[in-house]
Amino acid sequence: DAGITQSPRYKITETGRQVTLMCHQTWSHSYMFWYRQDLGHGLRLIYYSAAADITDKGEVPDGYVVSRSKTENFPLTLESATRSQTSVYFCASSEASTGGKAFFGQGTRLTVV
Amino acid sequence: GDSVTQMEGPVTLSEEAFLTINCTYTATGYPSLFWYVQYPGEGLQLLLKATKADDKGSNKGFEATYRKETTSFHLEKGSVQVSDSAVYFCALSGTNNNAGNMLTFGGGTRLMVKP
Repeated sequence: DAGITQSPRYKITETGRQVTLMCHQTWSHSYMFWYRQDLGHGLRLIYYSAAADITDKGEVPDGYVVSRSKTENFPLTLESATRSQTSVYFCASSEASTGGKAFFGQGTRLTVV
Repeated sequence: GDSVTQMEGPVTLSEEAFLTINCTYTATGYPSLFWYVQYPGEGLQLLLKATKADDKGSNKGFEATYRKETTSFHLEKGSVQVSDSAVYFCALSGTNNNAGNMLTFGGGTRLMVKP
């Protein structure tokens, strides 16, 4: 199916474990983004990528790692999960020419216990 | 850096009432402005946008006008429906050419419309 998909939709993990959230888009958009959504903070940018093999930090990158070996995939890894990383994570993509019009996945609800 | 401030919710209205959700921004340069909507259990989707001063974005009965003099982009709808119940996010696109597609979001405003 065309679009942007995230997996898993729900994940419970233990403190200290490594966990990877997956994001796949079928449009070949240049830009991809990871946001986290928390009550009182809206959406905050974790990392973004302007193209394959090009990534850069956003507002809250600490504790996260990303890679973009292929244009369509942009996985987000929590190297050693902490309770403060309990959140809803959204992946998004956009084309360079659209100046901010982004398409969002359905989100991954991550709980760190 | 860039920032967006929007009114805190929840906003509770009766069906057919008039809606205003305030949004103001701080940015260098000339950002594009957006309203995104998030329905329960879903990701965000673009509702409307405006790319320059005095532009009016509109969609599904919602409107917002880019006011550079007051750095505002307030969302309005003349008659809300129960189906409009959602969380609304004001956002601006990055003014840095290296991240021109990067969005900065406000905190979101939950709208609840009662029949």
